[in-house]
Amino acid sequence: EAGVAQSPRYKIIEKRQSVAFWCNPISGHATLYWYQQILGQGPKLLIQFQNNGVVDDSQLPKDRFSAERLKGVDSTLKIQPAKLEDSAVYLCASSPVRGVRTDTQYFGPGTRLTVL
Amino acid sequence: AQSVTQLDSQVPVFEEAPVELRCNYSSSVSVYLFWYVQYPNQGLQLLLKYLSGSTLVKGINGFEAEFNKSQTSFHLRKPSVHISDTAEYFCAVNVLTGGGNKLTFGTGTQLKVEL
Repeated sequence: EAGVAQSPRYKIIEKRQSVAFWCNPISGHATLYWYQQILGQGPKLLIQFQNNGVVDDSQLPKDRFSAERLKGVDSTLKIQPAKLEDSAVYLCASSPVRGVRTDTQYFGPGTRLTVL
Repeated sequence: AQSVTQLDSQVPVFEEAPVELRCNYSSSVSVYLFWYVQYPNQGLQLLLKYLSGSTLVKGINGFEAEFNKSQTSFHLRKPSVHISDTAEYFCAVNVLTGGGNKLTFGTGTQLKVEL
């Protein structure tokens, strides 16, 4: 079974530029998450999708971050414009069932973003 | 609010020695606890999880954890570590959010296994 795929793996941009990350979850997984992991910290949830609907985006900085999940499968996370404090690893995760707390979340390798 | 605290930021240990990575949780309701491992430049991989039932949970790679309700702890243990266990370990609790659920992670413990 293929895992969660993310691209690119690394990205370096200047502040005020825009950037987009792509995630392909495990086939058949209904729930998709985007987490932000700042160096030295644990991951923090940005947004959660169930199929193609947003169920929680309370921690997403909506003035600069946006995300969508097309047709309930792939997802993209965009930052525009980027700030220095957005430097982090962006992790995508998926889980098989609709938002069940006992579900295991499967993580992709992440995209490491450096904003200069 | 449910949260977890990892008491040690770094744990150095010699190969073949036992190790314990500490995690304490705060919650007034039922908890679902997880341990994940993150190898350099990789995503997180599930080691084990506690949902209910037996308080001793066995995971992959020889790791186990014990859920202790009276101590509000979920410490991770391995009787004999290997060089390949060098990684960052995260304790997490699954909490309900407005419309769904999320993992709330601790700050991580860097395990460094030395020869």
